[in-house]
Amino acid sequence: DADVTQTPRNRITKTGKRIMLECSQTKGHDRMYWYRQDPGLGLRLIYYSFDVKDINKGEISDGYSVSRQAQAKFSLSLESAIPNQTALYFCATSENRGGSSDTQYFGPGTRLTVL
Amino acid sequence: DAKTTQPTSMDCAEGRAANLPCNHSTISGNEYVYWYRQIHSQGPQYIIHGLKNNETNEMASLIITEDRKSSTLILPHATLRDTAVYYCIVRVVNGNKLVFGAGTILRVKS
Repeated sequence: DADVTQTPRNRITKTGKRIMLECSQTKGHDRMYWYRQDPGLGLRLIYYSFDVKDINKGEISDGYSVSRQAQAKFSLSLESAIPNQTALYFCATSENRGGSSDTQYFGPGTRLTVL
Repeated sequence: DAKTTQPTSMDCAEGRAANLPCNHSTISGNEYVYWYRQIHSQGPQYIIHGLKNNETNEMASLIITEDRKSSTLILPHATLRDTAVYYCIVRVVNGNKLVFGAGTILRVKS
């Protein structure tokens, strides 16, 4: 689904380097999320944002930071990458629907390898 | 969010209906049942969700038992492209995250 795009799609970097993963969406959704997935495991939430001025930590935020530059853009940074941050990273978006359920839609993912 | 239990894997013949079960015996009244699937490291794809009533869309049907303790995702005419990991997720309304368990590996065979 091209409504949620992630760049880069693949990245190999070295321990200690700073790296930024970017997510853009054209769905007009207020809410954005960053997840990581390790081989054979489910997705875990890193950070989420319910609007431009709102940033919240997820269950595994240590070693990561985020920036919500605009409604459509949500970036994830690894300040000093380490090998155990090697994973698949997914961005997701959802619409704020008040008291109703908000379905999350995912981007294609970024495969990050830290050597 | 309530815990879910799914079979590890299932096989289905191409063209037949695939019925994927999910147990969520501790589900609360304000929790929805969501289904996603993930095809070989691609981004998870939303399939369907429901609260109490059965739901149907262009991809699948969701059957929720009256006591809401279990549900079944039905792919009416499975194709080879439906081979994926299917995740059943229980989530509160406007919860901040989706909790993905191990899911069910569905293999559609010709």
